[in-house]
Amino acid sequence: QSALTQPRSVSGSPGQSVTISCTGTSSDVGGYNYVSWYQQHPGKAPKLMIYDVSKRPSGVPDRFSGSKSGNTASLTISGLQAEDEADYYCCSYAGSYSYVFGTGTKVTVL
Amino acid sequence: QVQLQQWGAGLLKPSETLSLTCAVYGGSFSGYYWSWIRQPPGKGLEWIGEINHSGSTNYNPSLKSRVTISVDTSKNQFSLKLSSVTAADTAVYYCAAQRITIFGVVILKGRWFDPWGQGTLVTVSS
Repeated sequence: QSALTQPRSVSGSPGQSVTISCTGTSSDVGGYNYVSWYQQHPGKAPKLMIYDVSKRPSGVPDRFSGSKSGNTASLTISGLQAEDEADYYCCSYAGSYSYVFGTGTKVTVL
Repeated sequence: QVQLQQWGAGLLKPSETLSLTCAVYGGSFSGYYWSWIRQPPGKGLEWIGEINHSGSTNYNPSLKSRVTISVDTSKNQFSLKLSSVTAADTAVYYCAAQRITIFGVVILKGRWFDPWGQGTLVTVSS
């Protein structure tokens, strides 16, 4: 299992939108609708932001949305806010009861 | 509202066995699968393995030969043991939950991790 590929960093000004990609293979991202996204602030545990590709847990702002096309999943943050500055990780079910995470993306609010 | 609290030794020597425990509060212990996930300093996340209340386990193939995850239902706790550690095992280790939903006779396991424990930094150094 290889880690899913994410851009190292993305940035945007407050109010703008940013999109983070997460590229895998047909054995993970492309094979299942089980992609989740996590936000991690420095020194903190990851927090679930999106599950099952596009579902939002209770309490997560609707500024966060997820989608998938083929072997690539995406997380979009609309109306970027200062508190959105963090690391973001995607995760996909990879079959055979296993999971693979992405390489991580640092979001910077300019 | 499930909460996880974890603990364990933070400093190990090469070849020793890592041992961590995670306690579950505020929810049904049988209503979840329980996972361990690690994050080397400055790097990404790696899923280690999972267990349910019955003791059924699944492990990351890359770590399977060294990992044992066990459960103590009497204490609502689950544990991780990783043998023969090296410096490459230095990481923050997290416990996390995966919710199970039952629809009649169909059991669906959530393929996401929520919530997470606070994390434990384990350093392997001679």
